[in-house]
Amino acid sequence: AQSVAQPEDQVNVAEGNPLTVKCTYSVSGNPYLFWYVQYPNRGLQFLLKYITGDNLVKGSYGFEAEFNKSQTSFHLKKPSALVSDSALYFCAVRDDILTGGGNKLTFGTGTQLKVEL
Amino acid sequence: GAVVSQHPSWVICKSGTSVKIECRSLDFQATTMFWYRQFPKQSLMLMATSNEGSKATYEQGVEKDKFLINHASLTLSTLTVTSAHPEDSSFYICSAAAGGTEAFFGQGTRLTVV
Repeated sequence: AQSVAQPEDQVNVAEGNPLTVKCTYSVSGNPYLFWYVQYPNRGLQFLLKYITGDNLVKGSYGFEAEFNKSQTSFHLKKPSALVSDSALYFCAVRDDILTGGGNKLTFGTGTQLKVEL
Repeated sequence: GAVVSQHPSWVICKSGTSVKIECRSLDFQATTMFWYRQFPKQSLMLMATSNEGSKATYEQGVEKDKFLINHASLTLSTLTVTSAHPEDSSFYICSAAAGGTEAFFGQGTRLTVV
């Protein structure tokens, strides 16, 4: 079974400050990890993914995430937050495709990011 | 990136009627499509997985006869909410995958049953 935990329901940060949105995961095989962003009444937009390779993954809109196998974490980060980054962020995991997981994603509960002036 | 279009974006229907939601992959062939349901301020809950030309696989607790899924072609999947009731009101999101590592999401459909 695969699972994702996003321990924070909401993260508040001032514009210009760095932001971190936390995510930890659990899979039986090798993890495929994703971050998505959702604006009100919209679908999910892909930000970045980790499949293999470098632990630091760079994605859209200046976001990046660091894969830490020992801590089973995949925290989303941005060096300087913008008010327009305010949205709902979802971490998702998929088990290694070789185990038959296909593209079935398991999502975390989401973290509401609020960036204020 | 790949584009997935979902239609309609929002729909209001009367209790007891059926509503069909379409999910199309516009620039790629989707071997697998997924349907999710999202309650306010909650995560996405996978309802079912559909592969082109075969019956959908429903998650535990999802009524097959209530939520009919058809994946007739590699670019189109439909979700029909039959005999809708107010408790079916929700945000429904589809995603499509072509066998790679990533799935692409539609913009979602807000269903309100009155």
